[in-house]
Amino acid sequence: KQEVTQIPAALSVPEGENLVLNCSFTDSAIYNLQWFRQDPGKGLTSLLLIQSSQREQTSGRLNASLDKSSGRSTLYIAASQPGDSATYLCAVGPMGGGSNYKLTFGKGTLLTVNP
Amino acid sequence: DVKVTQSSRYLVKRTGEKVFLECVQDMDHENMFWYRQDPGLGLRLIYFSYDVKMKEKGDIPEGYSVSREKKERFSLILESASTNQTSMYLCASSRGPAKNIQYFGAGTRLSVL
Repeated sequence: KQEVTQIPAALSVPEGENLVLNCSFTDSAIYNLQWFRQDPGKGLTSLLLIQSSQREQTSGRLNASLDKSSGRSTLYIAASQPGDSATYLCAVGPMGGGSNYKLTFGKGTLLTVNP
Repeated sequence: DVKVTQSSRYLVKRTGEKVFLECVQDMDHENMFWYRQDPGLGLRLIYFSYDVKMKEKGDIPEGYSVSREKKERFSLILESASTNQTSMYLCASSRGPAKNIQYFGAGTRLSVL
């Protein structure tokens, strides 16, 4: 059974700092991996999706990398801003990608960026 | 922009009541999902549907049922609500093969008293 772990559970940084959030998964037979953002009391917003054949994806100040063989992904946030404060979740999708595709989520990292 | 709308942001119900949580998406997505989110447990999949009238059990289907009569609407039903079903419920949808990006609604915080 796939297990997804995110470390640290919480992170507090000063504004302007570059930071890395970590995600690890136990079964490397994945189809893709997604990073989401969740603001307090709200739903999830998809940030980046990396296919298993890709090494990284970039969107603005965000860069997500994937090392399938070691079961790891990182989300790099450059020049952090207070508006980046949120919980960040990663989720992996199993090989196959068909009707049995179900995401397995990590518990998230709560990021606080202090002005 | 994709829009996934959940009918209620907050809901308070009594133990034993039948509860309907509604979710509507406006992008003609084939796939729809219901999750619950609890502190310390993360998101867990309750049910999903990849076509009208089709449904698949997720990881925690016990105590829940679903209905998908129309492509845009996916309902989660608590036949007899219990206090352990107090949670944040999140609906999501995705296009085409289920492996694509999932778009989430704002969530419904349900309290069962």
